[in-house]
Amino acid sequence: AQTVTQSQPEMSVQEAETVTLSCTYDTSENNYYLFWYKQPPSRQMILVIRQEAYKQQNATENRFSVNFQKAAKSFSLKISDSQLGDTAMYFCAFKSNFGNEKLTFGTGTRLTIIP
Amino acid sequence: DSGVTQTPKHLITATGQRVTLRCSPRSGDLSVYWYQQSLDQGLQFLIQYYNGEERAKGNILERFSAQQFPDLHSELNLSSLELGDSALYFCASSAGLAGGPDTQYFGPGTRLTVL
Repeated sequence: AQTVTQSQPEMSVQEAETVTLSCTYDTSENNYYLFWYKQPPSRQMILVIRQEAYKQQNATENRFSVNFQKAAKSFSLKISDSQLGDTAMYFCAFKSNFGNEKLTFGTGTRLTIIP
Repeated sequence: DSGVTQTPKHLITATGQRVTLRCSPRSGDLSVYWYQQSLDQGLQFLIQYYNGEERAKGNILERFSAQQFPDLHSELNLSSLELGDSALYFCASSAGLAGGPDTQYFGPGTRLTVL
């Protein structure tokens, strides 16, 4: 079974700074997908970014980018020019490549952006 | 707005009671997933339906059941409720494609409080 570990329960950073959230996972599969979801105080789960394991290029979505290290089974999220609206819980999630599969989530990192 | 709807938003009930949570997936999505988010267990996969049929089961109690109807909406039934069932219940939907990331989009959740 796959496991996802987020070792930083809480982080805080000044507005406009850059912050990196860590995620490691364990799997024996070669092809899979990794996601970062954001859960703001509203509790809605919002997709931030997605990475396909077969792609060497790191995914980027505006201020959000990932550092995907397949051999190390590491998938960190970098938020550049952080904004107050980035304050949220961030969850890393793993999905098998075998089609129609569930997400396995980490325990989350609570990120606070300080004005 | 993810396009996934869940009703009700909040539900307060007593121990021993039965409740039904409802989910409508995004237009065109065939797969529906149910997740439970509690303080001590994090985000846990409960059950998945694909085009009306049960596809996968996770950590779902025997007191819980679900179904997906011909119009693809899904209901999660929770019975003989206990205090520990208090949680946020999410529904997510995806296209249900056999290959590819098949990204899941989450509804706003139903917060269940058992008193």
